Amino acid sequence: DAGVIQSPRHEVTEMGQEVTLRCKPISGHDYLFWYRQTMMRGLELLIYFNNNVPIDDSGMPEDRFSAKMPNASFSTLKIQPSEPRDSAVYFCASSLGSQPQHFGDGTRLSIL
Amino acid sequence: QKEVEQNSGPLSVPEGAIASLNCTYSDRVSQSFFWYRQYSGKSPELIMSIYSNGDKEDGRFTAQLNKASQYVSLLIRDSQPSDSATYLCAVRYGTSYGKLTFGQGTILTVHP
Repeated sequence: DAGVIQSPRHEVTEMGQEVTLRCKPISGHDYLFWYRQTMMRGLELLIYFNNNVPIDDSGMPEDRFSAKMPNASFSTLKIQPSEPRDSAVYFCASSLGSQPQHFGDGTRLSIL
Repeated sequence: QKEVEQNSGPLSVPEGAIASLNCTYSDRVSQSFFWYRQYSGKSPELIMSIYSNGDKEDGRFTAQLNKASQYVSLLIRDSQPSDSATYLCAVRYGTSYGKLTFGQGTILTVHP
């Protein structure tokens, strides 16, 4: 069975550009999570969805960040405009109910 | 603020020794506890989950949970250099179905 699929794996862009990260959860999972990981702050939860509905977005750093889940098999995390401090590894994870979360391979984002 | 605390290390042990990783959490209303392993440049992968007080063993790994002391640990027996990684403790609090709170992680180095 395919795991959580994220794209792109790497993204390098200039400050001020729009960045869109994509995630396909494991089929049948009803929870989807977006995390950001940096050396300074560790693994931070940005937002999570249950059955495509955003449940908790308190971790979203500011209005420049937005996330959508239009259907059960796809989610996006968008940053507009991007800033150098947004550089990090962004992980998507999914789970079924109370079962453990499974992580994608992540997107390594560099904002110049 | 619900928190999960880990000693960031690094923890260095010789090959063949027992590595002991510790984690404390701040809220008594906690249901589920997880240990993830993260190799450098990779995504977190689940290695153990524990839900009730006591010990749970899986191969060379043993998770120990003490809810009264709000303490969860991971023991790795017969440590191998391939165990060198960052180990993340994660807690699902009772009021946040689906959501995990992660510790900062402990860096483990197993030297030959």
